[in-house]
Amino acid sequence: GAVVSQHPSRVICKSGTSVKIECRSLDFQATTMFWYRQFPKQSLMLMATSNEGSKATYEQGVEKDKFLINHASLTLSTLTVTSAHPEDSSFYICSTRPSGSFTDTQYFGPGTRLTVL
Amino acid sequence: KQEVTQIPAALSVPEGENLVLNCSFTDSAIYNLQWFRQDPGKGLTSLLLIQSSQREQTSGRLNASLDKSSGRSTLYIAASQPGDSATYLCAVRRSQAGTALIFGKGTTLSVSS
Repeated sequence: GAVVSQHPSRVICKSGTSVKIECRSLDFQATTMFWYRQFPKQSLMLMATSNEGSKATYEQGVEKDKFLINHASLTLSTLTVTSAHPEDSSFYICSTRPSGSFTDTQYFGPGTRLTVL
Repeated sequence: KQEVTQIPAALSVPEGENLVLNCSFTDSAIYNLQWFRQDPGKGLTSLLLIQSSQREQTSGRLNASLDKSSGRSTLYIAASQPGDSATYLCAVRRSQAGTALIFGKGTTLSVSS
């Protein structure tokens, strides 16, 4: 079946540093990828929609200058948390759906656990 | 604004029991609804997807129903097993195809042997 990978799976960093998270679709091309964030005991909240070759669309309340998204190819999207702070500690998950797919099932990556000290 | 609510937040049952997880959404104009399973610290596994025109979907011991007009969906798990222990998430897609999912907070299920 379709596979989406994320790297790294876990990262611990100091406050003020930047962290890059990669999301790759291994079995298919993906025009659109979605980035979610999940705080403990909370639901997944959509942060932004990443479109290949164009600017990402951010949800209300998500700072686009803090969470930089790059979708340079049909198989890779990156999320960079710039100048991370402890409140950015969360579980970040990407998801996507094969381009041109007739199925509506979304495939999710395994997630990245970010801890900012 | 679409909101998705899942009840109960947590559930503990002995092995072998049949159980029902509930999901409600405030805006009935959905494209589809999906149930996921999330194991601790892991990503999501899709269990069942119900299109807005469908009433239910079945996969093995799982059965999901959808009543779009009342904004409700249920996930029925038959003959529960310890391996079913996980958090179950309900998510709806907005009215257009290809858009992102809106999730509930999930129901954390614990099945004891």
